Amino acid sequence: QSALTQPASVSGSPGQSITISCTGTSSDVGSYTLVSWYQQHPGKAPRLMIYEVTKRPSGISIRFSGSKSGNTASLTISGLQAEDEADYFCCSYAGGYAYVFGTGTKVTVL
Amino acid sequence: EVQLVESGGGLVQPGGSLRLSCAASGFTFSRYWLNWVRQAPGKGLEWVAIINQDGSEKYYVDSVKGRFTISRDNAQNSLFLQMNSLTADDTAVYYCARDDWTFDIWGQGTLVTVSS
Repeated sequence: QSALTQPASVSGSPGQSITISCTGTSSDVGSYTLVSWYQQHPGKAPRLMIYEVTKRPSGISIRFSGSKSGNTASLTISGLQAEDEADYFCCSYAGGYAYVFGTGTKVTVL
Repeated sequence: EVQLVESGGGLVQPGGSLRLSCAASGFTFSRYWLNWVRQAPGKGLEWVAIINQDGSEKYYVDSVKGRFTISRDNAQNSLFLQMNSLTADDTAVYYCARDDWTFDIWGQGTLVTVSS
């Protein structure tokens, strides 16, 4: 189970939109709608931001949205805010009751 | 409040063993699959193991198969991870996470350091 590929870093100015990609294979991202995204601030536990590719849990801002095309999933953050600065990880079900995470992306608000 | 609280981490020598616990509250524990996820210092997240509602099904990432055992006690609302034959590569913060085809609830994590 190889980790999903994410860009190491993405940055944007306040108010801008950024998109983080998450590339897997036909055995994980490409086969299932069970792709989720997690936000992690330093020293904190991950927090679910998006699940089942596009769904937002209660309490998550509509500025966060997800999508998927083929073997690549994406997380878009619109109207970037200072508090969005964090690490973001994607995750996909990989079959056989196993999951695989992405390599992680550090988002910097300029 | 829905909550998961891990405990049991610490410093252990290579080749040693450690048992992690995760106490759940605020939800019907026995209805959910549960996971262990770890994060090495400065690194990304790695799924480690999963267990079904009654403990009859357990699955592991290849790197811990034969060394780690996930278990649960539904009467005590608790999840466990028995870790044997530990190596430096197992050094990480270990999180328990509730499974609803996503990791929707996470504990705060417990640090395991494998070093002589």
